[in-house]
Amino acid sequence: AQKVTQAQTEISVVEKEDVTLDCVYETRDTTYYLFWYKQPPSGELVFLIRRNSFDEQNEISGRYSWNFQKSTSSFNFTITASQVVDSAVYFCALSEPVKTSYDKVIFGPGTSLSVIP
Amino acid sequence: NAGVTQTPKFQVLKTGQSMTLQCAQDMNHEYMSWYRQDPGMGLRLIHYSVGAGITDQGEVPNGYNVSRSTTEDFPLRLLSAAPSQTSVYFCASSYGLADYNEQFFGPGTRLTVL
Repeated sequence: AQKVTQAQTEISVVEKEDVTLDCVYETRDTTYYLFWYKQPPSGELVFLIRRNSFDEQNEISGRYSWNFQKSTSSFNFTITASQVVDSAVYFCALSEPVKTSYDKVIFGPGTSLSVIP
Repeated sequence: NAGVTQTPKFQVLKTGQSMTLQCAQDMNHEYMSWYRQDPGMGLRLIHYSVGAGITDQGEVPNGYNVSRSTTEDFPLRLLSAAPSQTSVYFCASSYGLADYNEQFFGPGTRLTVL
């Protein structure tokens, strides 16, 4: 069955520290997509990244980086030199496009990150 | 572009009342969906639509109805509100299927059912 686990419910770091948010997924498909979304205190969800199962290259965007490892079914998100504005809930999501049923996009429970000045 | 808009932002209902949560997008997206967010459970799909006139059920459809008469609008109707429907509701849209594409989310509607 399709499942996304974000074992870290809450994380607190001091500003300028690096922090890694873990995401472990379960799927039986060979074709799937992984996403990260950010939900700041204002409440809206903002797309951060999409990765398909055939592209295992890690990605860096400014202070953000993502480590995709199929061998461990993980898609971890690292924030370097964290800032107060990074305080948010972060969701990892998995989709299996070949499925015909509704639950094609599954969100993890989220990790709440607090960056303390 | 306003993106995805939702109204109202907050709503309090009594058990048994009905209401409609409004959602509109101005990006000409074909795919729209409704999610509910509950603590510790991430987002769960209620209903979705792949185009005007086409809707389908998600993971938790009971107690909700949707329709899609235009590309822009995708209202969610609560038929007879129950306390279990207390949640934050998000509408989202994407250019193509949400399976492949990023979703754009509205600001959410916080609903309390007493």
